[in-house]
Amino acid sequence: KAGVTQTPRYLIKTRGQQVTLSCSPISGHRSVSWYQQTPGQGLQFLFEYFSETQRNKGNFPGRFSGRQFSNSRSEMNVSTLELGDSALYLCASSLGVGTGANVLTFGAGSRLTVL
Amino acid sequence: KNEVEQSPQNLTAQEGEFITINCSYSVGISALHWLQQHPGGGIVSLFMLSSGKKKHGRLIATINIQEKHSSLHITASHPRDSAVYICAVNSGNQFYFGTGTSLTVIP
Repeated sequence: KAGVTQTPRYLIKTRGQQVTLSCSPISGHRSVSWYQQTPGQGLQFLFEYFSETQRNKGNFPGRFSGRQFSNSRSEMNVSTLELGDSALYLCASSLGVGTGANVLTFGAGSRLTVL
Repeated sequence: KNEVEQSPQNLTAQEGEFITINCSYSVGISALHWLQQHPGGGIVSLFMLSSGKKKHGRLIATINIQEKHSSLHITASHPRDSAVYICAVNSGNQFYFGTGTSLTVIP
């Protein structure tokens, strides 16, 4: 079966713009979680969605937001981009809610460069 | 402060060697994950543990809840095991990651 699909894979934006990233989970998976990876900070948890509701949230400013649709696909949005938002954004899907209760399957990531 | 500490940061081994990567954490957890990341970014979940020990092929993961410590062992290491290994823990509604161990296995 198809894995976790993230689009776009690469994108370049300028400071002040906004960006939307998409994540399609494995069929049947209802939880989608998002992560940011940078050379300086490593991997950091952004948020988790289950059944269209945000269940958990990491320590990121309100410029980072997300949503989940009824088909479990998820999007995350970053507004007013800053240079420090340049990162690899990864999503992962799992069967149930709670990254502590379920094995995660990761997508290949979306690499965002902010100029 | 880092909730999750890994050691070593970098590790070079000869093919066939037994490898151990350590992870210590300072928070209460519901589960611990071992992840593998190859160059290019893709992450694969190797294990999710809440107690005891799990084995998958040449990989073994153990966890000691009382000591807040986990180890990932690779037996008969192979060049294809070269990757970054990341320890992550679930604590309450948060998910904390270690900085990773970069493993290079030389033929």
